[in-house]
Amino acid sequence: EVQLLESGGGLIQPGGSLRLSCAASGFTFDMYAMTWVRQAPGKGLELVSTISDSGGTTYHADSVKGRFTVSRDNSKNTMYLQMSSLRVEDTAVYYCVKGRYCSRTSCSLMDVWGQGTTVTVSS
Amino acid sequence: DVVMTQSPLSLSVILGQPASISCRSSQSLGHSDGNTYLNWFQQRPGQSPRRLIYKVSNRESGVPDRFSGSGSGTDFTLKISRVEAEDVGVYYCMQGTHWPRATFGQGTKVEIK
Repeated sequence: EVQLLESGGGLIQPGGSLRLSCAASGFTFDMYAMTWVRQAPGKGLELVSTISDSGGTTYHADSVKGRFTVSRDNSKNTMYLQMSSLRVEDTAVYYCVKGRYCSRTSCSLMDVWGQGTTVTVSS
Repeated sequence: DVVMTQSPLSLSVILGQPASISCRSSQSLGHSDGNTYLNWFQQRPGQSPRRLIYKVSNRESGVPDRFSGSGSGTDFTLKISRVEAEDVGVYYCMQGTHWPRATFGQGTKVEIK
């Protein structure tokens, strides 16, 4: 069974830092790009960061660029999100998502989501 | 970024009646590989999102056949042929054609009348 287990969320003051982790199991982790998606309270879904299967390529949404860094350790089947200079507007549930796998003819996108970890930025 | 616009944003449906959600993109979602990467997700209250439909019209394993997706180019639709109580939640479309700049619609809340 494919599982994604996020951890590391919590209450943090504005300007602070936090590192989220996503432990993956049940699939060949290093074949998939991985993604962080967040959902602010009562709001919709926003793609935050993506990392390629090898870890060599990353993407961050403009809203977090320069403050968040996504990384992965394929030997540990784990993805990370290092968040710094946190703002009140970063308050959200952060989901780890099995992002993308492409065969020669087609890609599969965002097929499995974790249960999420809550980050609350408040003084 | 590609803007995804859903309508309506809220839907109140009688049990057993059909429901339809529209999703429009600001750019064509046809990919150079011949596919169209338009997904639909369901988020039940208190749960994580779950992929229902991928590449416009392909149902995820285990998804009831009362759910169907259609469309092409910039116009897409999710239909529920007969709404059941377990269908209550928020539905999101998402484009992945312009990966990694994937974008979601605002969400459509479905409730039972």
